[in-house]
Amino acid sequence: KNQVEQSPQSLIILEGKNCTLQCNYTVSPFSNLRWYKQDTGRGPVSLTIMTFSENTKSNGRYTATLDADTKQSSLHITASQLSDSASYICVVPFTSGTYKYIFGTGTRLKVLA
Amino acid sequence: EPEVTQTPSHQVTQMGQEVILRCVPISNHLYFYWYRQILGQKVEFLVSFYNNEISEKSEIFDDQFSVERPDGSNFTLKIRSTKLEDSAMYFCASTAGGETQYFGPGTRLLVL
Repeated sequence: KNQVEQSPQSLIILEGKNCTLQCNYTVSPFSNLRWYKQDTGRGPVSLTIMTFSENTKSNGRYTATLDADTKQSSLHITASQLSDSASYICVVPFTSGTYKYIFGTGTRLKVLA
Repeated sequence: EPEVTQTPSHQVTQMGQEVILRCVPISNHLYFYWYRQILGQKVEFLVSFYNNEISEKSEIFDDQFSVERPDGSNFTLKIRSTKLEDSAMYFCASTAGGETQYFGPGTRLLVL
């Protein structure tokens, strides 16, 4: 079954600290994996897209890694800011002729001052 | 920067009523999507639309749902006879083709 699992479910950290969010997927065939940030009550916003051949990709303070062999990805946030408080969602497209996107349940991050 | 817009931002309706949720995708995008997110749950794919027809739909997208692109800019989701369990945030998204999806701000639907 095509699934995307994320951990932890929620996380609280102090401002300035780093954190790492995990994503495991069983989607096949695999083409890419996306990390989105979703503020409460808003639509998801793309942070990064990892293709099969990419191991690491950075977008400012966000660094995503991908291990296609173990089907795992992580999102590392460096020097967290209060504005990083949001849900972070891992999404893997499932290609069966056309794209269908499978969303993880997300990690709810809270950054405290 | 171009963005996806959705109207209304909030909609309250009585069970059994029809609702139409509207979206204006980014102008040069070709693929359009509807998702829903029940409060506290993950985002769920409903339907994708390309070249004026549905290209993919989930098991959630049953006969009470329909989508339409009535003109060159709008993309609508119609729920024919709303049920309590249709209460959710509905997101529209668009993409030029396969890469980053751009999501709208969502319409919060409450069915009473």
